[in-house]
Amino acid sequence: GENVEQHPSTLSVQEGDSAVIKCTYSDSASNYFPWYKQELGKRPQLIIDIRSNVGEKKDQRIAVTLNKTAKHFSLHITETQPEDSAVYFCPEANAGKSTFGDGTTLTVKP
Amino acid sequence: DAGVTQSPTHLIKTRGQQVTLRCSPKSGHDTVSWYQQALGQGPQFIFQYYEEEERQRGNFPDRFSGHQFPNYSSELNVNALLLGDSALYLCASSLGGTLFYNEQFFGPGTRLTVL
Repeated sequence: GENVEQHPSTLSVQEGDSAVIKCTYSDSASNYFPWYKQELGKRPQLIIDIRSNVGEKKDQRIAVTLNKTAKHFSLHITETQPEDSAVYFCPEANAGKSTFGDGTTLTVKP
Repeated sequence: DAGVTQSPTHLIKTRGQQVTLRCSPKSGHDTVSWYQQALGQGPQFIFQYYEEEERQRGNFPDRFSGHQFPNYSSELNVNALLLGDSALYLCASSLGGTLFYNEQFFGPGTRLTVL
């Protein structure tokens, strides 16, 4: 079955620091790992994703790493800014369906 | 290139009524998935439509039904509304149904309030 665990549930950092959010999944058939950012009152937005044949992907200040053996993948945000404050989700994505947990609330203090 | 659109933006209904929400997928996408997001929680998968058929369904009662049209747009219908149906309803579009996984793009959502 599909089950994703996300840690931590809340994260508070100072502006300029790095933030790391980790997700553990259960379905070994999963091969696509997206990260969504949802600001208050807005839609979830895809910010980065990775496929199982790649170990790491970067896009400016954001990176995602995947460890298929351990079944976890992580979101890394460097040089955090107040506008990075949001809820971040790592749904377990399989066969066109995404199973979301309750996300990580990131607060970046100026 | 139009993104995912949803209508209406907000809706207020009373218990027992019926509601229809609408979604137009991103240009080039053929698959529409619907999600329910309660306050403070992640989106919960309701169902997915591809080639005008329901392909997958989450743990939602039969009061929740849908439809997909030949132009790939979709409707979500909820009958016999309950107070607990109050939520943000999100539509997400993608390409290829369940055959393989591609990026899902979300619409702005419809905020449903049941009184």
